[in-house]
Amino acid sequence: KAGVTQTPRYLIKTRGQQVTLSCSPISGHRSVSWYQQTPGQGLQFLFEYFSETQRNKGNFPGRFSGRQFSNSRSEMNVSTLELGDSALYLCASSLDNLGVNEQYFGPGTRLTVT
Amino acid sequence: GNSVTQMEGPVTLSEEAFLTINCTYTATGYPSLFWYVQYPGEGLQLLLKATKADDKGSNKGFEATYRKETTSFHLEKGSVQVSDSAVYFCALSLNTGNQFYFGTGTSLTVIP
Repeated sequence: KAGVTQTPRYLIKTRGQQVTLSCSPISGHRSVSWYQQTPGQGLQFLFEYFSETQRNKGNFPGRFSGRQFSNSRSEMNVSTLELGDSALYLCASSLDNLGVNEQYFGPGTRLTVT
Repeated sequence: GNSVTQMEGPVTLSEEAFLTINCTYTATGYPSLFWYVQYPGEGLQLLLKATKADDKGSNKGFEATYRKETTSFHLEKGSVQVSDSAVYFCALSLNTGNQFYFGTGTSLTVIP
């Protein structure tokens, strides 16, 4: 089974621009979560999508948004980029069966804002 | 609220040394507990998990026991190898959706 894939792997943008990151979950996984990883803040939860609906949301400004498509693929968008948005953005998918749901992570998209 | 606290790194050990990485948690419900590992340039990989008190998760020589009385889930390995060098994350999940709470990560370097 193919793992979680994220595109692009690396991205360089300028302050004020916007960016869209893509995540394809493991086949059959319906839940997709997004995390921001930085050296100073560690892993911070952005949001989770399930069946095309945002189910959970972290404490990030409205510039960060996402969506999920009917095939469970997800995109996340950051508008009006700031230098502090430079980070590794990780996507994780899970089956969402009852009980414990392990998350399977993609390799991440490294975003650099200049 | 829900949170995970793990020991500060970095940790440097010699090959074949004993490893302990401490992890404690605070949860509003009854969580499942996880250890993830991140190798350089890669995403996180699930290392082991435990879903109820006194459960022991184990994988690749690593072990952790879910201790409800001390709200802890310490990671141990009896003999580390150079290939174990990575960043280790402790995490909890409440069985209401898929929101995970991660610790800040502990960097481990194993020297030959």
